[in-house]
Amino acid sequence: NAGVTQTPKFRVLKTGQSMTLLCAQDMNHEYMYWYRQDPGMGLRLIHYSVGEGTTAKGEVPDGYNVSRLKKQNFLLGLESAAPSQTSVYFCASSYLPWEQYFGPGTRLTVT
Amino acid sequence: AQTVTQSQPEMSVQEAETVTLSCTYDTSESNYYLFWYKQPPSRQMILVIRQEAYKQQNATENRFSVNFQKAAKSFSLKISDSQLGDTAMYFCAFGGRDTGNQFYFGTGTSLTVIP
Repeated sequence: NAGVTQTPKFRVLKTGQSMTLLCAQDMNHEYMYWYRQDPGMGLRLIHYSVGEGTTAKGEVPDGYNVSRLKKQNFLLGLESAAPSQTSVYFCASSYLPWEQYFGPGTRLTVT
Repeated sequence: AQTVTQSQPEMSVQEAETVTLSCTYDTSESNYYLFWYKQPPSRQMILVIRQEAYKQQNATENRFSVNFQKAAKSFSLKISDSQLGDTAMYFCAFGGRDTGNQFYFGTGTSLTVIP
């Protein structure tokens, strides 16, 4: 039982490049979330999903897109990376809409 | 909108002593949950304790306990017999049924346990 995993763990992008972050969970959770963590700002919700095929915007959705084609996977996409998207990204999942279980995080640097 | 405020950016405590981390929140909801998460240098987010708003009894998990004051919208975390492994960032978080399944986090308190 791996819990919540994130791929990759580190990534460096140049401005304008695109990439996809993959989150996978093996706990059969309905709810999945993407957060970004910036110094002094805690975690802020980017997008979330309440089930396969559904997505919704969180607090800071601009510049990101998501997809949940399979229940166990939640993808976060950056179409045209900007330096302001340099951050640590966390994925989380939960059975109910609380008590979230977090992945190990992805450190993304955009130069 | 829901807000979570942690007014102590940094704190320190001697090993084996007790420390209390503060958290206040603002909401108009009546049905919600509150959480404390720990983030050690490894960056992994670990759930420490949770409190259901409808429960009057304060939650306790081993050396960790909370003081939940619903009317004051206060949710502090007490760590007893502090250990070196408690050194971490601690985040207070709010989740409510009416917030569209969204979580709101505070900005965190960096706790250092001094040997």
